[in-house]
Amino acid sequence: DSGVTQTPKHLITATGQRVTLRCSPRSGDLSVYWYQQSLDQGLQFLIQYYNGEERAKGNILERFSAQQFPDLHSELNLSSLELGDSALYFCASSRTGEVAGANVLTFGAGSRLTVL
Amino acid sequence: AQRVTQPEKLLSVFKGAPVELKCNYSYSGSPELFWYVQYSRQRLQLLLRHISRESIKGFTADLNKGETSFHLKKPFAQEEDSAMYYCALSANQAGTALIFGKGTTLSVSS
Repeated sequence: DSGVTQTPKHLITATGQRVTLRCSPRSGDLSVYWYQQSLDQGLQFLIQYYNGEERAKGNILERFSAQQFPDLHSELNLSSLELGDSALYFCASSRTGEVAGANVLTFGAGSRLTVL
Repeated sequence: AQRVTQPEKLLSVFKGAPVELKCNYSYSGSPELFWYVQYSRQRLQLLLRHISRESIKGFTADLNKGETSFHLKKPFAQEEDSAMYYCALSANQAGTALIFGKGTTLSVSS
């Protein structure tokens, strides 16, 4: 599968814990984006990386961090988890750094995080 | 700052009825607008973008810069159109990403 791959699909953890979500972009894509989807807030943009460098930052909490590795996969680290962090976390990728013209986002299936 | 507003959380129509999903945006520059769709148990995927001026699955959307709107329309809804629809805006500038509205759930019943 040359699409966007996210692991794990589901994750259940307790408050105060730390988790890592992983994303492999579509083959040939250099940019990775992280979004949080919740019922009341919709799709919130968290952060974007392009070829290993942070490119854009959205509503990402200080307890959250991300990075993109030389092989272009990305990890989103969520720490000191709270109940409100329960959500679906999507990763998307694109060929270049700007979403414009023919350069559109391809989304992964998401990682569902449940904090108890 | 960029903002996308989708005023309706849920839109319910009967099969064969016209559909209009509203989207308004706030951005002082020249944005690019998109509609993404998420069918049940499927990934979020691009439906259409304003620069292509295309019709996909019978859906069209026209960018109205005067009204800062990008409403999605279909003359005759089908049951398979039932899904979550997101309007999105790109400022097409370094340091900005694709910003989504909160989404509208379209429910088409027979």
